[in-house]
Amino acid sequence: SAVISQKPSRDICQRGTSLTIQCQVDSQVTMMFWYRQQPGQSLTLIATANQGSEATYESGFVIDKFPISRPNLTFSTLTVSNMSPEDSSIYLCSVAKLGLEGETQYFGPGTRLLVL
Amino acid sequence: AQSVTQPDIHITVSEGASLELRCNYSYGATPYLFWYVQSPGQGLQLLLKYFSGDTLVQGIKGFEAEFKRSQSSFNLRKPSVHWSDAAEYFCAVGLTGGGNKLTFGTGTQLKVEL
Repeated sequence: SAVISQKPSRDICQRGTSLTIQCQVDSQVTMMFWYRQQPGQSLTLIATANQGSEATYESGFVIDKFPISRPNLTFSTLTVSNMSPEDSSIYLCSVAKLGLEGETQYFGPGTRLLVL
Repeated sequence: AQSVTQPDIHITVSEGASLELRCNYSYGATPYLFWYVQSPGQGLQLLLKYFSGDTLVQGIKGFEAEFKRSQSSFNLRKPSVHWSDAAEYFCAVGLTGGGNKLTFGTGTQLKVEL
């Protein structure tokens, strides 16, 4: 498994500002992921962050809005830029750990963002 | 593309009663299958997973799930529910052979009556 921490755990922000969310894992991992969970909804993958390369974004998500950094194998950041109330969500990072049979994703506790 | 359906948005059971949460998937091959639980204000915790082999898998907290290829299902069960099991449960499908992406169902909110 993996122990994942996220900072901040929650925040209230004004529209037009940006927030950077940090994700730290207790072991080196190749792939980290960022998800968004809008109120009352399921999880939607924003992007995959590989160390040493550009993040890969899913349809509907762009780098200008959600820039991602992955400076090493245990850390990543997601920035939510120029925020609007529609960005109010839980943002979760996850890591993929390879076992004998396949890969499993483990999730951090999430960052709860409210944009006013 | 793969998809996951959790037909029950809300389920209410009495404490001590048995539980079954349904999950159906659509995928061209045998997928990797997962159940996660999200307690209020928490992240997602892995309950159990299926990659191959025995179709009945055991997880944490007394949960089990059975993979039924003929029905494209991976239903989650627990013989006796505890009040602390009240949470939201997500079924997820991953691609075999790598790719790493998970597709999540819409979730089932479980309420436990005392």
